[in-house]
Amino acid sequence: GDSVTQMEGPVTLSEEAFLTINCTYTATGYPSLFWYVQYPGEGLQLLLKATKADDKGSNKGFEATYRKETTSFHLEKGSVQVSDSAVYFCALSDSRRALTFGSGTRLQVQP
Amino acid sequence: IAGITQAPTSQILAAGRRMTLRCTQDMRHNAMYWYRQDLGLGLRLIHYSNTAGTTGKGEVPDGYSVSRANTDDFPLTLASAVPSQTSVYFCASSDDGGKADTQYFGPGTRLTVL
Repeated sequence: GDSVTQMEGPVTLSEEAFLTINCTYTATGYPSLFWYVQYPGEGLQLLLKATKADDKGSNKGFEATYRKETTSFHLEKGSVQVSDSAVYFCALSDSRRALTFGSGTRLQVQP
Repeated sequence: IAGITQAPTSQILAAGRRMTLRCTQDMRHNAMYWYRQDLGLGLRLIHYSNTAGTTGKGEVPDGYSVSRANTDDFPLTLASAVPSQTSVYFCASSDDGGKADTQYFGPGTRLTVL
């Protein structure tokens, strides 16, 4: 079945550091790929998505490129801020039913 | 526009009791979902509904039931709660359930079963 693997956290960075959170997937079809973010005490919200190979999703300085050859969708940001501290979930959708999520990566940004 | 609301915000429940978690959306989305979030496991799908009047089982449906009598509401019922159902429950909706659709999440219900 479908699955998503993302790097374990927590990831601790200083403000203005470069961020990469790795995500790889296994799917039988041609999935859409997503990054969702969960701020403390809140539900998940969409950060960015890509619906086909080589697409780049971007939002709020974050970006991720759909790489079919490596089955990856790594999240990157050039300069993180304290306000980026949250849990980040990689997910895929390969059917009309629902999302398959990774286990989540907690990011802590220190001033 | 409220988006998705869930109730209650949190609940402590004795094992064996029946409990219904409520979910309402005002976006007129066709598809709705229930997930549970457990530490280290991400979110796992419990049940889903692609349109009013239809429901389907997700990855972890045992011990849970749902109904979709109308577009806006999608309640989740635990018929006889067990401690392993202690979790945070999220309801979500999307426009038509297509694989490129964005899902919108409610704020969650934290349930503790003792």
